[in-house]
Amino acid sequence: IQMTQSPSSLSASVGDRVTITCRASQSISSYLNWYHQKAGKAPKLLIYTASGLQSGVPPRFSGSGSGTDFTLTISSLQPEDFGLYYCQQSYSTPWTFGQGTKVEIK
Amino acid sequence: QVQLQESGPGLVKPSETLSLTCAVSGGSVSSGVYYWSWIRQPPGKGLEWIGYIYFSGNTNYNPSLQSRVTISVDTSKNQVSLKLTSVTTADTAVYFCARVLSYHDSSAHRRDFDYWGQGTLVTVSS
Repeated sequence: IQMTQSPSSLSASVGDRVTITCRASQSISSYLNWYHQKAGKAPKLLIYTASGLQSGVPPRFSGSGSGTDFTLTISSLQPEDFGLYYCQQSYSTPWTFGQGTKVEIK
Repeated sequence: QVQLQESGPGLVKPSETLSLTCAVSGGSVSSGVYYWSWIRQPPGKGLEWIGYIYFSGNTNYNPSLQSRVTISVDTSKNQVSLKLTSVTTADTAVYFCARVLSYHDSSAHRRDFDYWGQGTLVTVSS
């Protein structure tokens, strides 16, 4: 299953609302997860099963969608939110990731 | 707090076998709710799932690597291992181990990488 994210990169100001989309090449129900990765670090789980907020993740992060179209929203961008964001489907193996969205702070 | 720590050679010669170990602390690899997975990331590129293992020994591999990869679990040492044979420069990457939280019942389901090791860079070069 191919996962396609858009945009590939974005630049936004602190306090902005940011939206990243992820599209699956076939229906994956709600088996869609979102991760955040900073340079030189391991990815960190943000959202599981399309909309579940992982423990310890700030509530400014939210996810939505089902089937083939999904969205990650950051309601008010913070300086620590820069980095790469990946979606990942766990509906069927081989589990696959999107190509990533790079978020830069203006 | 669960911690995962990858270890192994940072340099492997072409055609040889890459071998890595993931030591798990703060939790047991024998817990039935979890799978244990390997994921890799070539420098400057995206993430590729390699495969997973269940404590029973059941495995599932990415077809793109299936002919060369073996994942094993040692419950006595509480660790998971990865072997990748006949490596080429294309196998140069940071290798992560990760825990997969997986459940499915009538009211909820999830299947995701909830804990990750910090990763270890393996370079394939002569």
